[in-house]
Amino acid sequence: GENVEQHPSTLSVQEGDSAVIKCTYSDSASNYFPWYKQELGKRPQLIIDIRSNVGEKKDQRIAVTLNKTAKHFSLHITETQPEDSAVYFCAASESRFNKFYFGSGTKLNVKP
Amino acid sequence: GAVVSQHPSWVICKSGTSVKIECRSLDFQATTMFWYRQFPKQSLMLMATSNEGSKATYEQGVEKDKFLINHASLTLSTLTVTSAHPEDSSFYICSAYMETQYFGPGTRLLVL
Repeated sequence: GENVEQHPSTLSVQEGDSAVIKCTYSDSASNYFPWYKQELGKRPQLIIDIRSNVGEKKDQRIAVTLNKTAKHFSLHITETQPEDSAVYFCAASESRFNKFYFGSGTKLNVKP
Repeated sequence: GAVVSQHPSWVICKSGTSVKIECRSLDFQATTMFWYRQFPKQSLMLMATSNEGSKATYEQGVEKDKFLINHASLTLSTLTVTSAHPEDSSFYICSAYMETQYFGPGTRLLVL
């Protein structure tokens, strides 16, 4: 089955700095990669996703890059704000089954 | 759009009793729903895939007789924790699939 590894487990940045979270996956059949943000005690919220037919996707301060050859993808947050503080999860999925395999999560702390 | 509700949001029960958790997609139809379990400061662990009109598919290590799943309609899936014990205490989250997974707010279960 698919194995998704996520690094780092915790990340502290100063407000205004950039944050990068990296994930690797093992199954070359995976073709969909969503990122979720989860605040304490709340539901995971989809923040951005990318499919395997593109290498990069951007939405305002958030971007995701995908390297299919190396089987890794990354989340980039620019101009971080305190409200970006949360746990971020990456996931990998093969569209035939719609199952998501989640990474272990990254706790992002943005210091004002 | 793509709102998923879950009920109840929290429940306390005595050991040996059964607890039913409902997951509803409010503004879309979902042929597939998923049930996850999340321990404090950990990732989402997929328990089972629930398909409307058919039997659920359980992940390895998940007892299907203990965690009964019913997907009676395109907008409702239920998880019943049978004969609950303290080790079943956890945060249970469902998701509904429509091009991606949209999560419910979760149910916190405490078994005394």
